[in-house]
Amino acid sequence: NAGVTQTPKFQVLKTGQSMTLQCAQDMNHEYMSWYRQDPGMGLRLIHYSVGAGITDQGEVPNGYNVSRSTTEDFPLRLLSAAPSQTSVYFCASSPVLPPYEQYFGPGTRLTVT
Amino acid sequence: KQEVTQIPAALSVPEGENLVLNCSFTDSAIYNLQWFRQDPGKGLTSLLLIQSSQREQTSGRLNASLDKSSGRSTLYIAASQPGDSATYLCAAVQGGSEKLVFGKGMKLTVNP
Repeated sequence: NAGVTQTPKFQVLKTGQSMTLQCAQDMNHEYMSWYRQDPGMGLRLIHYSVGAGITDQGEVPNGYNVSRSTTEDFPLRLLSAAPSQTSVYFCASSPVLPPYEQYFGPGTRLTVT
Repeated sequence: KQEVTQIPAALSVPEGENLVLNCSFTDSAIYNLQWFRQDPGKGLTSLLLIQSSQREQTSGRLNASLDKSSGRSTLYIAASQPGDSATYLCAAVQGGSEKLVFGKGMKLTVNP
């Protein structure tokens, strides 16, 4: 199993550009989520999904869109990038059954200039 | 709203010491608590998960305990090594939800 994979690993965007961060998992996990990690702020939940076709907002959803058309994939879209979105983005997945152990991808480091 | 706290934010120790890392949470209605390790520039690696019905879990030199009544979890590292240097994060899953709430982490440096 590859686990949770994320692409790209690094990305530089100009303000106003759009892009999609890809996340895929091969563990047949129903629950998937996106976090951003910033110095001094820890990891904060952006969006999450409990299954295909179901998504919901986390703590910091503004400026981001998600969709979940398959169990395996959960892309994160930045519609109009802003410097405040410079961060490291992590995708995670887990079963929706106990004990809900979560598995994380390697992260995408995004810089918006 | 659940809040998870890790104090201190950083710790530097000589090799060989036995360490206790602390994690506190405000809402005791958690389903589980998970400890992670993060190396610089890398993702999160799960170390131990303790379910609410358990009091501790062990893996090698690591032992994690959970006391829901006091809102605390501790990660014990025996005979620390320079390779243990990393940031350690704890995170709680709230009952009825799969969502993790993270502490801000503790940066550990083990000096040879």
